[in-house]
Amino acid sequence: DQQVKQNSPSLSVQEGRISILNCDYTNSMFDYFLWYKKYPAEGPTFLISISSIKDKNEDGRFTVFLNKSAKHLSLHIVPSQPGDSAVYFCAARKSDRGSTLGRLYFGRGTQLTVWP
Amino acid sequence: DAGVIQSPRHEVTEMGQEVTLRCKPISGHNSLFWYRQTMMRGLELLIYFNNNVPIDDSGMPEDRFSAKMPNASFSTLKIQPSEPRDSAVYFCASRKTGVGGYTFGSGTRLTVV
Repeated sequence: DQQVKQNSPSLSVQEGRISILNCDYTNSMFDYFLWYKKYPAEGPTFLISISSIKDKNEDGRFTVFLNKSAKHLSLHIVPSQPGDSAVYFCAARKSDRGSTLGRLYFGRGTQLTVWP
Repeated sequence: DAGVIQSPRHEVTEMGQEVTLRCKPISGHNSLFWYRQTMMRGLELLIYFNNNVPIDDSGMPEDRFSAKMPNASFSTLKIQPSEPRDSAVYFCASRKTGVGGYTFGSGTRLTVV
């Protein structure tokens, strides 16, 4: 039961252009969303997050947009750089007050390749 | 802070052997998660602990898999007997309740031949 879905396994973008990674979720109880970035032979590292009370969060070149009615979020990277080439995982979490105690539900990831 | 520490980084073993993966969470983090990453399934949650107590082990694929957390600073994931289909990268992650997301370790790449 995949509650978080990343339907594009790969994305290729030219350096300097915008990268848009998409993520859909099915559980309306999710209230916190995160993006992780993973390089080969390393663990995923936290990139950016957004609470369900917001629809946008920006951190430098990275912006996450949340559309709750569509149960959709996206990560925009502008401008894209070759060093951004990695696997990006979308994740979602229910409230800590719930019994799941902060468990993250992950998508399967999108491999982003930024070429010069 | 050294982060989440996993050992070994790589493990190659023969089918049927016992494998033990180790994890040291970040000091002060009270939740610990074991994930497995494969091409087919992405990041699968195997089991997680809160305050050293297993909360949900429904992701553990079979009885061959077991996990323990004897104290706040150490956890093990054991596979006995191991099979070739267990080959994957196993990640441990930890978190402090109420604070953001997880911090992942660098993973253990397990190859069962």
